[in-house]
Amino acid sequence: EVQMVESGGGLVQPGGSLRLSCEVSGFTFSSYWMHWVRQAPGKGLEWVSRINSDGSYSSYADSVRGRFTISRDNAKNTLYLQMNSLRAEDTAVYYCGRGVPWDHFDRRAEIAPWGQGSLVTVSS
Amino acid sequence: QSVLTQPPSASGTPGQRVTISCSGSSSNIGGNFVYWYQQLPGTAPKLLIHKNNQRPSGVPDRFSGSKSGTSASLAISGLRSEDEADYYCAAWDDSLSGVIFGGGTKLTVL
Repeated sequence: EVQMVESGGGLVQPGGSLRLSCEVSGFTFSSYWMHWVRQAPGKGLEWVSRINSDGSYSSYADSVRGRFTISRDNAKNTLYLQMNSLRAEDTAVYYCGRGVPWDHFDRRAEIAPWGQGSLVTVSS
Repeated sequence: QSVLTQPPSASGTPGQRVTISCSGSSSNIGGNFVYWYQQLPGTAPKLLIHKNNQRPSGVPDRFSGSKSGTSASLAISGLRSEDEADYYCAAWDDSLSGVIFGGGTKLTVL
């Protein structure tokens, strides 16, 4: 059974930093692209970032580029999102999600399954 | 404002057929696959339709997807109370070089 468990969320002041983790099991983590997607309270889904299977390539939404860094540790089956210079508008539930396998065309909005989400609240 | 446009709400009675539209452009829907996600209240999104019209295993055949040009739609037939959820369309956008989502449609089963 595929499991994806996020952790690391919490309350942080504006300008602060936080690192989210997503530990996975049940599939060969090192063979898949991975994504982060967020959802502000009462709002829709917003794609944040993606990373390829070996961690050598990543891309970001304009809203977080330069402030957030996605990374992965394939030995630990864990995906990360380092969030710096946090703003109130970054307040959201952050979901990790599995993308396509490494040898598939990667420019797709295919994300399955998703983790349960981790709430990040940016407030003073 | 989302790059993909969906109606904010839709509704139907049990047994009815409802459709949810998703409008985009040549840089997203027009040139790439469309995906649909279902988000039940208080839960994480779940992939409902992939590659325009394919259902993952376990998704009932009451759900179907289609695409034409720069628009796509999700149809739900034989509507059931458990279908009450938020539905999102998504696609890769070549101009933005990223995944984009529609604003979401809240489906109410009357």
